[in-house]
Amino acid sequence: DQQVKQNSPSLSVQEGRISILNCDYTNSMFDYFLWYKKYPAEGPTFLISISSIKDKNEDGRFTVFLNKSAKHLSLHIVPSQPGDSAVYFCAASAGSGGSNYKLTFGKGTLLTVNP
Amino acid sequence: GAGVSQSPSNKVTEKGKDVELRCDPISGHTALYWYRQSLGQGLEFLIYFQGNSAPDKSGLPSDRFSAERTGGSVSTLTIQRTQQEDSAVYLCASSLAGQINQPQHFGDGTRLSIL
Repeated sequence: DQQVKQNSPSLSVQEGRISILNCDYTNSMFDYFLWYKKYPAEGPTFLISISSIKDKNEDGRFTVFLNKSAKHLSLHIVPSQPGDSAVYFCAASAGSGGSNYKLTFGKGTLLTVNP
Repeated sequence: GAGVSQSPSNKVTEKGKDVELRCDPISGHTALYWYRQSLGQGLEFLIYFQGNSAPDKSGLPSDRFSAERTGGSVSTLTIQRTQQEDSAVYLCASSLAGQINQPQHFGDGTRLSIL
């Protein structure tokens, strides 16, 4: 069963507008969440993370929101740029457990930002 | 500085053959991870090494898969008697230590195709 779900395989937005990427999880032990970006033929690159003790973390154009009661997080990119076009993976960890290094990934969402 | 290096970048082999995939982590990183990404799927955790501790092999899909890490640096993932379902991109990552707040840095992966 999929513990981390990214239900939108793809998303297309106009340059300058907001991109919102969604992620849902089922495992209530998850308490640390990360977003990775991946370009074709390259490895994923860490983007931003959030601990369950927070509900928001911001880094420049990227903001991650966490709703623990709904087991939902989202990544907002404002303003979107053509260079943001990539696959975005949501990942989760049971951070307080002994194996907090073990990340569970979603299937990814392909973001296309049109000029 | 140099990132995580993986070789080969592509490998095509016949079913039943053995393959070895290599990973050079970032210098100074004590934690090393192997993941697999099958077509249309998220990254799947395979194995984790931390310093001289016994590795966490809980993600290895069968006993045909094994990995070692020599001298706490370079790692080799070996797949014996390859099957078509082993076709995937195999990604290696490293981090300063096995702590969740120290992001994992990924290599570009080895694309393995089993004919």
